[in-house]
Amino acid sequence: GAGVSQSPSNKVTEKGKDVELRCDPISGHTALYWYRQSLGQGLEFLIYFQGNSAPDKSGLPSDRFSAERTGGSVSTLTIQRTQQEDSAVYLCASSSKFYNEQFFGPGTRLTVL
Amino acid sequence: QKEVEQDPGPLSVPEGAIVSLNCTYSNSAFQYFMWYRQYSRKGPELLMYTYSSGNKEDGRFTAQVDKSSKYISLFIRDSQPSDSATYLCAMGGGGNTGKLIFGQGTTLQVKP
Repeated sequence: GAGVSQSPSNKVTEKGKDVELRCDPISGHTALYWYRQSLGQGLEFLIYFQGNSAPDKSGLPSDRFSAERTGGSVSTLTIQRTQQEDSAVYLCASSSKFYNEQFFGPGTRLTVL
Repeated sequence: QKEVEQDPGPLSVPEGAIVSLNCTYSNSAFQYFMWYRQYSRKGPELLMYTYSSGNKEDGRFTAQVDKSSKYISLFIRDSQPSDSATYLCAMGGGGNTGKLIFGQGTTLQVKP
């Protein structure tokens, strides 16, 4: 079956612009996660959606970052007024439920000039 | 101190060697433990998932968890050049969230 997909695969933007990153989870997975991976670093948790519950936003680094999940499926991560330190690979994962294995997409490589 | 510590390497071994990768953690509330493999410019791929102390084996891979020492390991037997990748430990649980805390990742190179 289809895995987690993300788009775009690469995004180059200028400092100060807004960007939107998209994630399509595995069909039927109720939990969806966003992580960020900076060069030479492990994955940093950003936000987590589980069904209709309020999302866990504890990892979002600033109020420039937001995410939504429409219809319990597709999710969009939005970064407003991008900064150079936002340059990283943004990874999305999904799981069938809380505590279960998380399956990752290929990531979106964001470069802020 | 980071919640999860992992030696970034790089680690270079000859083909056929036994590889040992390790992570330590500080949060005793962690309940489940995973190992991911990540090839260059790809997303992480789940290798092993364990929910308790002890060993779990899958082919050439063995995951070991020692909760009393807050220490987890991944062993790779008969390592192959195709095993060359970054290996990330991850752990979670202990709260009402599914988020994982990752180690920095260890880069492994298996030389033919």
